[in-house]
Amino acid sequence: EPEVTQTPSHQVTQMGQEVILRCVPISNHLYFYWYRQILGQKVEFLVSFYNNEISEKSEIFDDQFSVERPDGSNFTLKIRSTKLEDSAMYFCASKPGLAGERGTDTQYFGPGTRLTVL
Amino acid sequence: GDSVTQMEGPVTLSEEAFLTINCTYTATGYPSLFWYVQYPGEGLQLLLKATKADDKGSNKGFEATYRKETTSFHLEKGSVQVSDSAVYFCALRNNFGNEKLTFGTGTRLTIIP
Repeated sequence: EPEVTQTPSHQVTQMGQEVILRCVPISNHLYFYWYRQILGQKVEFLVSFYNNEISEKSEIFDDQFSVERPDGSNFTLKIRSTKLEDSAMYFCASKPGLAGERGTDTQYFGPGTRLTVL
Repeated sequence: GDSVTQMEGPVTLSEEAFLTINCTYTATGYPSLFWYVQYPGEGLQLLLKATKADDKGSNKGFEATYRKETTSFHLEKGSVQVSDSAVYFCALRNNFGNEKLTFGTGTRLTIIP
């Protein structure tokens, strides 16, 4: 069964460094998402991406964050200058179609990348 | 804004016990409701969902009923197994055009033999 993959599983970085988290969504999916979960807190929506542009973003997704789908298969989240409070588990998800379309409204999640900022 | 409040964990039960994990929500309109499960080392997997009031979602012996009057979507299973040990997340999607999921904090469930 196709699945969403994420690399690396764990990333350790120094404060102020740039990190890129990578995701390979399911191949025929059209909608892509990033979420994060700070330890002990809720899973929070960061951004959604469709047709090569951001369709929605949360207040967390400030100028330090960016997303890209560089080659039609990977979907990346970049944090330009990491802060201690960026330490979290980052989940990528993908979805085949719109919520109203039958059988296409389920988001499929990857296993997550644990980011630790020192 | 939208929010989901989930029963705090961790929850530890003996095998074959009855399980309830409470979930309540706040949302405008008529959201769709979901339960996701995360097994160790894996991603979030959709367990079940309900898209309108009084709908019951079910899968793998788990059930949850969309109760609009109490704004709840409690997860239940009559007889849990060791393999059910995982983290369970309640979530909603507001159907006003956006696609994002709003999650609860997750409940870690451990089943002991």
